[in-house]
Amino acid sequence: DAKTTQPNSMESNEEEPVHLPCNHSTISGTDYIHWYRQLPSQGPEYVIHGLTSNVNNRMASLAIAEDRKSSTLILHRATLRDAAVYYCILRASGTYKYIFGTGTRLKVLA
Amino acid sequence: DTAVSQTPKYLVTQMGNDKSIKCEQNLGHDTMYWYKQDSKKFLKIMFSYNNKELIINETVPNRFSPKSPDKAHLNLHINSLELGDSAVYFCASSQAVGVGTDSGNTIYFGEGSWLTVV
Repeated sequence: DAKTTQPNSMESNEEEPVHLPCNHSTISGTDYIHWYRQLPSQGPEYVIHGLTSNVNNRMASLAIAEDRKSSTLILHRATLRDAAVYYCILRASGTYKYIFGTGTRLKVLA
Repeated sequence: DTAVSQTPKYLVTQMGNDKSIKCEQNLGHDTMYWYKQDSKKFLKIMFSYNNKELIINETVPNRFSPKSPDKAHLNLHINSLELGDSAVYFCASSQAVGVGTDSGNTIYFGEGSWLTVV
C-alpha cells in the first residue's frame, strides 16, 4: 500500500492561509490523493481529492506536484472551526481500501 | 437525518462479554466499512462489505464478526471482549468502486462508537 508522510502538527493564526503538506513518493499512476479531516470527537469527513490537476472546492484547494510525489492542502482562511487532524490518503483506482496515516493536527490560534 | 448512524455511541462493558454495534446508512451506498481508532488515534480499516458481500477483511481477530443483513446495514459483533478492544469504532459507507469509473468515491463516516472494556 502506498504510504503518505505528513508533519505531526502545525499551527496557524485565524484568518490566515494554511498549507498542509503531504509526501507520497511511492504513489502509483492510478492512485487518487484524498484529504479527510477529523474534528474532535467526530468521524473523519471528506475535504477534497484529486488525481493530477489542482482542485478547488468550497472547503479548500488541493495543489498536486507535477511528479505527483507530494501535494498540499490549502485552507485559504483558517477559522477556529478548522482545528482538526488532517489526513492525506492514497487510494488506488478501483479499490475500496483507504489507508489512513497519522495525519497533521492543525491548531488555529485566535 | 444522519447519513451514517451507529449505535450505541458509548458502551462500557466487562471483559469476556459479547457486544454488538449497529450501523445504518441512508445514502443508498453499496459499500460499507468498519474502522477502528485506538488510543493513539491511528485509524485502521477492519472490514468492508459491498452489497452484503465481504470484500476486505484485514488482520482482525475472529472474535470480531461483521454482519450485513442488507446493503444499508453493517453490524459489528465482538465476542469475548478484551481490554485491548477498547477503542472508537467508526462505521462508514461509499458508492461502489469500479475500475475505470472512479470519481473519487468519497467515504462518509458515522460519529463513532466509544467502546470501553473494563
